Amino acid sequence: QSALTQPASVSGSPGQSISISCTGSSSDIGSSHLVSWYQHHPGKAPKLIIYENRQRPSGVSNRFSGSRSGNTASLTISGLQAEDEADYYCCSYARGLTFDVFGSGTKVTVL
Amino acid sequence: EVQLVESGGRVVRPGGSLRLSCAASGFIFDDHGMSWVRQAPGKGLEWVGGINWSGTITDYVDSVRGRFSTSRDNAKNSLYLQMNSLRVEDTALYFCARVRSAGPGFDCWGQGTLVTVSS
Repeated sequence: QSALTQPASVSGSPGQSISISCTGSSSDIGSSHLVSWYQHHPGKAPKLIIYENRQRPSGVSNRFSGSRSGNTASLTISGLQAEDEADYYCCSYARGLTFDVFGSGTKVTVL
Repeated sequence: EVQLVESGGRVVRPGGSLRLSCAASGFIFDDHGMSWVRQAPGKGLEWVGGINWSGTITDYVDSVRGRFSTSRDNAKNSLYLQMNSLRVEDTALYFCARVRSAGPGFDCWGQGTLVTVSS
């Protein structure tokens, strides 16, 4: 039950695009096809920004996009803005219908 | 307004027990599975355990299986986490999270309740 692997940090300048990878295995990302992504500003509740690999909930900016290929999922933030500075986590089913595993988390810094 | 409010966190000695509660409002509670997610100080999010809409299916991360138990009372729109044999490493901010009705993904979160296990 290892956490999914994400880079510890990613940075970019305002207006740039950045991508965050999330690497798992055939037991989770590779088999479930159902990755979600969360934005977490410390001290606040995490926020769902992508579900089912690439779907955005209502109200989430279209600057956020997701994809999945094999055992790896990716989150891309385009047109980086200061308010995007936060921690980002991927999450996938790892077993059955109730067992989830989160990624190790990526701190995004806007330079 | 959709809302989840956790309560019950406090300082507890190693080996002790604690029951966390999560009060749901603003939505049909038994339309959703629910989960507990924790964040230890300086660490990332960790899924702890989950329960389906009716309470008949539960699952847990290995590190808490046999010590933690989650349950729900749909009549009271409430979710619970019974934590026994607490360890120092269980110290964390505990969030309750709502599972999307149409599939996986946690679309609503509480603000969390802090559990500190310390002698």
